[in-house]
Amino acid sequence: GENVEQHPSTLSVQEGDSAVIKCTYSDSASNYFPWYKQELGKGPQLIIDIRSNVGEKKDQRIAVTLNKTAKHFSLHITETQPEDSAVYFCAASVRGSTLGRLYFGRGTQLTVWP
Amino acid sequence: NAGVTQTPKFQVLKTGQSMTLQCAQDMNHNSMYWYRQDPGMGLRLIYYSASEGTTDKGEVPNGYNVSRLNKREFSLRLESAAPSQTSVYFCASSELGQGVGEQFFGPGTRLTVL
Repeated sequence: GENVEQHPSTLSVQEGDSAVIKCTYSDSASNYFPWYKQELGKGPQLIIDIRSNVGEKKDQRIAVTLNKTAKHFSLHITETQPEDSAVYFCAASVRGSTLGRLYFGRGTQLTVWP
Repeated sequence: NAGVTQTPKFQVLKTGQSMTLQCAQDMNHNSMYWYRQDPGMGLRLIYYSASEGTTDKGEVPNGYNVSRLNKREFSLRLESAAPSQTSVYFCASSELGQGVGEQFFGPGTRLTVL
């Protein structure tokens, strides 16, 4: 099955700096890569996703890049703010397959210091 | 719309006791999932239901049973709780098949088994 590795496990940045979280996956058939944000005491919430036919996607201060050849994808947060502090999860899946499943990385605890 | 709701929010059990975690969604989604979240382990899939009337095992199904009562409700049962089942349990639902579309998560149930 798919194996998703996520690094780092913890990340501390100063407000206004950028944060980058990296993930690798093992199954070349995976073609859907969502990122979830989990605030304290809540369930994860989708913040951005990317399909394998796209190399980069942006949404305001958040961007995700995908390198299919190297089987890795990254989350970039620019101009970080204290409210960005949360646990972030990457995931991989084979879109379009009813037998596919969403495999999650182990999470990154991001702390943004004011 | 309430989205995905879970009950109870917190539960303490003694080893060997049984309980059922309830989950309901009001988004008319076909697919529903149960995950457990443990520190440093990310989200691991216990069981999922691609559609009403079907259920399948995920990564960590041992010690659990599920029931897809109808399109809205998906329950998780612990027949004989063990300390290793101490965890935070999340229910999720999605419009499309497993891993294909955005998964919406409930707020979680924090379970402690003594």
